[in-house]
Amino acid sequence: DIVMTQSPLSSPVTLGQPASISCRSSHSLVDTDGTTYLNWLQQRPGQPPRLLIYQISTRFSGVPDRFSGSGAGTDFTLRISRVEAEDVGIYYCTQATQFPYTFGQGTKLEIK
Amino acid sequence: EVQLVESEGGLVQPGGSLTLSCAASGFMFNTLWMHWVRQPPGEGLVWVSRIDVEGTITTYADSVKGRFTISRDNAKNTLNLQMNNLRVEDTAIYYCVRGGPGSGLDYWGQGALVTVSS
Repeated sequence: DIVMTQSPLSSPVTLGQPASISCRSSHSLVDTDGTTYLNWLQQRPGQPPRLLIYQISTRFSGVPDRFSGSGAGTDFTLRISRVEAEDVGIYYCTQATQFPYTFGQGTKLEIK
Repeated sequence: EVQLVESEGGLVQPGGSLTLSCAASGFMFNTLWMHWVRQPPGEGLVWVSRIDVEGTITTYADSVKGRFTISRDNAKNTLNLQMNNLRVEDTAIYYCVRGGPGSGLDYWGQGALVTVSS
């Protein structure tokens, strides 16, 4: 199974400041079709997860442009340009290149 | 608007059975894979199972293989998860998730809490 490792596991951030979360996979996430199925999910308190970013850097429908993704191969990053109060929650990276799909441990974003 | 609505979960004794359903609407159900993902209380996300568009190809996590069965009814836009021989460690919120084209997992239901306890 592909292991997804996130860092940090907790990120206290000041409102209006940037935040960054890293994700590393144990194997390359490049599929045979050349696509990298690396996604980022947001889970607000008491809510189901929500897709933010797919294929490393494509924002899903309705996601604000302060969220961006980057990376390649086995190393990926989610960035929030200016954190807002509604961004509080847990962020997960996940790979959909190979079964079983796997998730990172989650990074808890909190406001200082 | 895409909607995924799971049936209510419940409390089940170890060794018991429970079937979850998910009613899908707002998209062409019979054109996309569907998945179940679970989340133990206070823990992270774990992928459980997937089914292809026709319901002929299924894949399971090792932890549920031989005990859980995923199925779909394209005429009724419904996804099911039959869970047998339940264990305490199966206690979790179970999410019905659409297999988005290009993303693997895009829209998520609200989840159904399944508690396995004596």
